[in-house]
Amino acid sequence: DIQMTQSPSSLSASVGDRVTITCRASQGIRNGLGWYQQKPGKAPKRLIYVASILQSGVPSRFSGSGSDTEFTLTISSLQPEDFATYYCLQHNSYPFTFGQGTKLEIK
Amino acid sequence: EVQLVESGGGLVQPGRSLRLSCTASGFTFGDYGMNWFRQAPGKGLEWVGFISIKSYGGTTEYVASVKGRFTISRDDSKSIAYLQMNSLKIEDTGVYYCTRVVTYSGYDSSDYWGQGTLVTVSS
Repeated sequence: DIQMTQSPSSLSASVGDRVTITCRASQGIRNGLGWYQQKPGKAPKRLIYVASILQSGVPSRFSGSGSDTEFTLTISSLQPEDFATYYCLQHNSYPFTFGQGTKLEIK
Repeated sequence: EVQLVESGGGLVQPGRSLRLSCTASGFTFGDYGMNWFRQAPGKGLEWVGFISIKSYGGTTEYVASVKGRFTISRDDSKSIAYLQMNSLKIEDTGVYYCTRVVTYSGYDSSDYWGQGTLVTVSS
């Protein structure tokens, strides 16, 4: 199975900050990587798929990049509603696997 | 509007069975594969399994920890996907989500998610 290593596991930041979260795959997954946002008690919400395609309706301050084994999610200017937990998910091959998650907290 | 509603969760003893349902609306159910995911209390997300559309044989895939115990099926006439869970273990406890799968450039990706249903395995 492909292991996804996500970092950092937690992050404190302020409104307006630029934030980057990284995921590394244990083997190449081409562009098969998605990013999901989850708020407490809610279902995950897809932000990015196929590494860099922005989900319709998601603000343009979110962006994804990378390919093969290294991927990043960038939030260009944090907004209050962005404080949540973020997960990467490799969707290149089954079994799909997640990173451990990044909890983004208000500084 | 696309909607996915899971049901069937609850408290069950170890070794027993439970069947979850995912009722879909707002799209042509038979045209989409479906994934199941789960999340143990306070933990991260885990992919559980997948079922393809009928024209691709309705093939299924499972995470190793549930293979041989869980079965995913679908009834396109009712727009429902099922997750039959047998020989349940305490570590199967969590919120179970169904999702719609969209294929883009050869990649399967979950776009819409249900609200989840809680399964608690305990004696």
